[in-house]
Amino acid sequence: GAVVSQHPSWVICKSGTSVKIECRSLDFQATTMFWYRQFPKQSLMLMATSNEGSKATYEQGVEKDKFLINHASLTLSTLTVTSAHPEDSSFYICSAKPGQLAKNIQYFGAGTRLSVL
Amino acid sequence: GQNIDQPTEMTATEGAIVQINCTYQTSGFNGLFWYQQHAGEAPTFLSYNVLDGLEEKGRFSSFLSRSKGYSYLLLKELQMKDSASYLCAVRDPVRSGAGSYQLTFGKGTKLSVIP
Repeated sequence: GAVVSQHPSWVICKSGTSVKIECRSLDFQATTMFWYRQFPKQSLMLMATSNEGSKATYEQGVEKDKFLINHASLTLSTLTVTSAHPEDSSFYICSAKPGQLAKNIQYFGAGTRLSVL
Repeated sequence: GQNIDQPTEMTATEGAIVQINCTYQTSGFNGLFWYQQHAGEAPTFLSYNVLDGLEEKGRFSSFLSRSKGYSYLLLKELQMKDSASYLCAVRDPVRSGAGSYQLTFGKGTKLSVIP
């Protein structure tokens, strides 16, 4: 149980275009989802916390207008990187926290590697 | 502020035991997590400690001392497939809010298991 699906796993886009990444909890309802960014040899950096039915909470330094987050249902959150630039190239990972399970464990998707040309 | 420290890299021999340490300095504390991350893949949950002591799960054990701000992950009977990065993460409700489940991650320890 507790499987999180993230799609796409890899995307290449031209500078100035927008990219949407989906994060789905397959066998549980996720009241909270998190979006992270990870640069090579660095740790996971939290970008934003997404709660179903409400606006996302962004970490300091993360532009909310550039990284649009929509958590429309208890099983789906999306991250849209708008007007992507080469410096946005990174590994983006989502995680989901089941609403009912104990221990507050976050389960991670497989990640999306974004390359902006 | 928050600070989570782990060694950057470690090397150990197949079949041996290795201990990966994590020290943390946070405003508050409500749980410490260990995740395993293979290169290019998402982290997978290994263990969770919120009270002092040792939690054992198969070949992996995790220890926590809240008074010392210290945890370790112990891997026994190392296998080649254990080569990965091991991430220590702390939940700090003072920083992120009592109802928040945000985690702050250390930079990870890259473990290389050699024959």
